[in-house]
Amino acid sequence: DGGITQSPKYLFRKEGQNVTLSCEQNLNHDAMYWYRQDPGQGLRLIYYSQIVNDFQKGDIAEGYSVSREKKESFPLTVTSAQKNPTAFYLCASSIDRRDTEAFFGQGTRLTVV
Amino acid sequence: GENVEQHPSTLSVQEGDSAVIKCTYSDSASNYFPWYKQELGKGPQLIIDIRSNVGEKKDQRIAVTLNKTAKHFSLHITETQPEDSAVYFCAAKGGYGNKLVFGAGTILRVKS
Repeated sequence: DGGITQSPKYLFRKEGQNVTLSCEQNLNHDAMYWYRQDPGQGLRLIYYSQIVNDFQKGDIAEGYSVSREKKESFPLTVTSAQKNPTAFYLCASSIDRRDTEAFFGQGTRLTVV
Repeated sequence: GENVEQHPSTLSVQEGDSAVIKCTYSDSASNYFPWYKQELGKGPQLIIDIRSNVGEKKDQRIAVTLNKTAKHFSLHITETQPEDSAVYFCAAKGGYGNKLVFGAGTILRVKS
């Protein structure tokens, strides 16, 4: 099936540790995005990538890092510099045109313990 | 950059009534406006979208209208059903950086 897959669904992290969230798509999309969602709030853009080996900071990039070595993969690392990492993280992809829809994964819920 | 505002934050309607959610955007270069529905613990799913060369689009009980001059767009759900209860997000794309920017969301409750 074509789609976008995030793993794991739930993730627990100790304070001070880095953790990497996986996002894979087999839709042949050029553009990929990472969003953070806090309870009762909207989606805030962390990073986005419009092509392999290129990515840009979104509105809340501090404490996060990404890579885009392959078209189908866009992993997000939550570093120890992120002061409040507990949240629901959503990955999306789209054809890189200005008027095309984005498809979302099912999300990863990260909890700092 | 683009800023999207969405109202209301919560909306309760009686089953069978209509629901309207409104959004405004700031970047006049934005040309794509999707609406997403999110159920608890899941990723958002696209329910309808509209491009800037169209003023209105309808899909069964759901319709979206766009006023480019005023930079606002709205979601209309008619004959609401309990399964319409969810969080709805508007978004805008195509402006500076071609980012997909979301509104804060509307919690829709349909009472039966």
